[in-house]
Amino acid sequence: GENVEQHPSTLSVQEGDSAVIKCTYSDSASNYFPWYKQELGKRPQLIIDIRSNVGEKKDQRIAVTLNKTAKHFSLHITETQPEDSAVYFCAASSMNRDDKIIFGKGTRLHILP
Amino acid sequence: DGGITQSPKYLFRKEGQNVTLSCEQNLNHDAMYWYRQDPGQGLRLIYYSQIVNDFQKGDIAEGYSVSREKKESFPLTVTSAQKNPTAFYLCASSIAGTSNGYTFGSGTRLTVV
Repeated sequence: GENVEQHPSTLSVQEGDSAVIKCTYSDSASNYFPWYKQELGKRPQLIIDIRSNVGEKKDQRIAVTLNKTAKHFSLHITETQPEDSAVYFCAASSMNRDDKIIFGKGTRLHILP
Repeated sequence: DGGITQSPKYLFRKEGQNVTLSCEQNLNHDAMYWYRQDPGQGLRLIYYSQIVNDFQKGDIAEGYSVSREKKESFPLTVTSAQKNPTAFYLCASSIAGTSNGYTFGSGTRLTVV
């Protein structure tokens, strides 16, 4: 089955700097890669996703890149703000097979003042 | 709660007891999922269901049971066979096969006392 590895487990950046979180996946059949943000005590919220036919996607300060050959994808947050502090999860799924999403273990992002 | 409701928010169980966690959605989603969240472990899949009266085991199904008698409802029973049930449980739903990610419920925190 699919296995998703996520690094780093904790990341601290100065406010205004960029943050990068990296993930790898094992199943070459995976074709959908969502990213979720979870604030303390709250439910995960989908912030951006990318499909296998696209190499990069951007939404304001957030961007995701995908390298299918290397089986890795990354989340980039630019001009970080205090409200970006949260736990971020990458995930992978094969929507051609079943819809279950396999998650990485998460990255706790701290934005330092 | 964004169309998917979990109850109760907090649940205390004595050792040896079975408990049932409720998950109801009014989004007309076909697929529903149960995840368990432990610190540093990310979200691990317990069970999922893509259609009424059918469900599949996830990665950590031992000690849990589910039913899917109605499209709107996917209750999870934590049985006495689950050795370490204290965790945060998240229910999610999605439109099957559309690669649109999940909508999560607000979660149930289960504590064994």
